[in-house]
Amino acid sequence: DAGVIQSPRHEVTEMGQEVTLRCKPISGHNSLFWYRQTMMRGLELLIYFNNNVPIDDSGMPEDRFSAKMPNASFSTLKIQPSEPRDSAVYFCASRPTQGANQPQHFGDGTRLSIL
Amino acid sequence: AQKVTQAQTEISVVEKEDVTLDCVYETRDTTYYLFWYKQPPSGELVFLIRRNSFDEQNEISGRYSWNFQKSTSSFNFTITASQVVDSAVYFCALSEGGYSTLTFGKGTMLLVSP
Repeated sequence: DAGVIQSPRHEVTEMGQEVTLRCKPISGHNSLFWYRQTMMRGLELLIYFNNNVPIDDSGMPEDRFSAKMPNASFSTLKIQPSEPRDSAVYFCASRPTQGANQPQHFGDGTRLSIL
Repeated sequence: AQKVTQAQTEISVVEKEDVTLDCVYETRDTTYYLFWYKQPPSGELVFLIRRNSFDEQNEISGRYSWNFQKSTSSFNFTITASQVVDSAVYFCALSEGGYSTLTFGKGTMLLVSP
């Protein structure tokens, strides 16, 4: 079975450029999560969707960040304009249902470097 | 508010030693779920185990075992006879009942030397 698929695996771009990260959740999973991982702050939840609807976006750092889930099999996280402090590993995860008892399954992450 | 504390930032052991990773949590809910994830050097996050607040029975899976104690709000993870392949960052996480999301601890980096 395919797991959560993220692309690209690595992205290096210059400050000010638009960055788009992509995620395909596990088929049949109804909940999708975007996380950011840095040395300083650890794993932070950015936004959480259920049935393609954003439920909690309180972790989105600022207006430069936006996330969409146009259908059950695809989500994007966009940063525009990007800044060096956005450099991090971004993970997407999916969960079978909205229930908190279900484990989240993570993609391999996108390592983002903003120069 | 929920909180997870992994006080051990880094642990170094020699192969075949037993090692315990500590996890202490805080929650006001009576229904909650605890998780452990492994992040090897390759970077992916791998789900290891889930425990619910109503089940304090310890669990063993091969060389891995988990000790859940509600009285001390702890959910510790022990690796018996550690191997080099166990080298990774291990995260403990908590979600409260209902539709809560995960709160992660800061992680413990385990380094197993040959």
